[in-house]
Amino acid sequence: GAGVSQSPSNKVTEKGKDVELRCDPISGHTALYWYRQRLGQGLEFLIYFQGNSAPDKSGLPSDRFSAERTGESVSTLTIQRTQQEDSAVYLCASSLVVGETQYFGPGTRLLVL
Amino acid sequence: RKEVEQDPGPFNVPEGATVAFNCTYSNSASQSFFWYRQDCRKEPKLLMSVYSSGNEDGRFTAQLNRASQYISLLIRDSKLSDSATYLCVVTYSGGYQKVTFGTGTKLQVIP
Repeated sequence: GAGVSQSPSNKVTEKGKDVELRCDPISGHTALYWYRQRLGQGLEFLIYFQGNSAPDKSGLPSDRFSAERTGESVSTLTIQRTQQEDSAVYLCASSLVVGETQYFGPGTRLLVL
Repeated sequence: RKEVEQDPGPFNVPEGATVAFNCTYSNSASQSFFWYRQDCRKEPKLLMSVYSSGNEDGRFTAQLNRASQYISLLIRDSKLSDSATYLCVVTYSGGYQKVTFGTGTKLQVIP
């Protein structure tokens, strides 16, 4: 079946603008994760959703970052008033449940000028 | 202490060599362990899960040492195509769920 998809694949924006990133998980996967990866760096956990439970937002770096998920389907990550340090690849992953194998999407490459 | 720690490398090894990576974790109650592989400018992909009894998949062997709180990955007969960054993942599923990725160990296999 289809894997995790993300859109857009690339996004260039100006400092101060808001951006919205989308993730479509694998159908039936109840857990969905967002990560940030800066160039040459490791994965930085941002947030995860598990079913209808309250999301774990402990990794969000500031209140400019927020994420939503509709049921057990699509999720959007919103970054308000973008800053240059927000430039990174934003990766989404899903798994059947938390703790199981995560399947990653191709990521959205965000560049803030 | 970081929750999950890996030697960033790079490990530069010749083709055919055997190479081993370790990954230490701080939460003794961690329950699930994985190794992922990430190629340059690509997303991470599961390489193998790590079981308490140890497990092998072809040239790759993963082991878990709960007493010392580390997992290991052994690659035998290294191929050029093994060049990548190897990420360890530790999951805690107790009263709350937490998945932590290590920052990765870079492997470069040299002809």
